Amino acid sequence: KAGVTQTPRYLIKTRGQQVTLSCSPISGHRSVSWYQQTPGQGLQFLFEYFSETQRNKGNFPGRFSGRQFSNSRSEMNVSTLELGDSALYLCASSLWQGGEQYFGPGTRLTVT
Amino acid sequence: GESVGLHLPTLSVQEGDNSIINCAYSNSASDYFIWYKQESGKGPQFIIDIRSNMDKRQGQRVTVLLNKTVKHLSLQIAATQPGDSAVYFCAETDLNDMRFGAGTRLTVKP
Repeated sequence: KAGVTQTPRYLIKTRGQQVTLSCSPISGHRSVSWYQQTPGQGLQFLFEYFSETQRNKGNFPGRFSGRQFSNSRSEMNVSTLELGDSALYLCASSLWQGGEQYFGPGTRLTVT
Repeated sequence: GESVGLHLPTLSVQEGDNSIINCAYSNSASDYFIWYKQESGKGPQFIIDIRSNMDKRQGQRVTVLLNKTVKHLSLQIAATQPGDSAVYFCAETDLNDMRFGAGTRLTVKP
């Protein structure tokens, strides 16, 4: 069974731009969570989607948003990028909300 | 949750020794705890979990201990191998939010 895939793997954007990251969960998994990982803050929870609905949200500004499609694939969007948004963005999928999570390799976003 | 700093705590052990990695959590409402392993360039990988109604759980070469009184979690790795070298994170969740520790970098010397 294929693991969680994330595209793109690497991305460079400039301040003020917006970006969309994509996550394809493991087949059959219906829950997708997004995390931001930085050297200074470590891993931080962004949001979780289950059955196309956002179920939980972390403490991030409204510039960070996401959605989930009927096939459980998920996208997250960051608008008006700031330098501090440079991070590794990780997606994790699980069979159900709160289930064991399987992480993808992440998308490394650099904002210049 | 954990205070997260710029520098990860490190643990260096000899191959074959046992490793113990510790984690303190802050939310007494957390009822589910997970240990993850993250190798360089990869996403975190689930190792073992424990629910708050347990104080010990064993897996293959790994044991997680939970002390709810002092809000402390530990991961024990038996007979540590070079392939165990990675950053280890604890995570706590009350199903509304998940909080991660800063991580501990484990280095196994052959």
